[in-house]
Amino acid sequence: GQSLEQPSEVTAVEGAIVQINCTYQTSGFYGLSWYQQHDGGAPTFLSYNALDGLEETGRFSSFLSRSDSYGYLLLQELQMKDSASYFCAVREAGKIIFGKGTRLHILP
Amino acid sequence: GEEVAQTPKHLVRGEGQKAKLYCAPIKGHSYVFWYQQVLKNEFKFLISFQNENVFDETGMPKERFSAKCLPNSPCSLEIQATKLEDSAVYFCASSPRSGTDTQYFGPGTRLTVL
Repeated sequence: GQSLEQPSEVTAVEGAIVQINCTYQTSGFYGLSWYQQHDGGAPTFLSYNALDGLEETGRFSSFLSRSDSYGYLLLQELQMKDSASYFCAVREAGKIIFGKGTRLHILP
Repeated sequence: GEEVAQTPKHLVRGEGQKAKLYCAPIKGHSYVFWYQQVLKNEFKFLISFQNENVFDETGMPKERFSAKCLPNSPCSLEIQATKLEDSAVYFCASSPRSGTDTQYFGPGTRLTVL
């Protein structure tokens, strides 16, 4: 089976940088994904890492280290609209397994 | 369509009643996934389809839950004899192919069992 660990909550200040970590245990690994979910909304895809290293998409970056079974999501120039839950996820055969989510609180 | 559509948006059922939820994946996407999210917590995988075939059903409580994806029809998730603990938001997601982890989620159906 697979399991993912991520912090339940993180707090940061508007304009700052925040990193959300995710460690995983898998029986087979295809890649690590990140999703954002605002309150009352549906999850939206942010990024996917299949290989080691950093992937950058605008203010968001995602990193993967397969040897450490570890990845993180980096959010820069935080805006109030970034207040949401962030989920890491891995694929196992025909399903995606999600972490329990990290609630990001942003202070003005 | 260009978005995953789910109906109804809200569904209220008395305990023991049947509930049926629908999902129309993005046109051209071959894979459909169903998830249950209770109280904004983690997503519990229920079942996935590759076109009309079950791809992975390891998350389904089979005694009361069933699902179908038939050609030219929305996919459906049916819960027989609902229980209080079935109250949750049920999300459907579609994906163009199995080799990608990018899933496109619908807006969800909020099921409340009274």
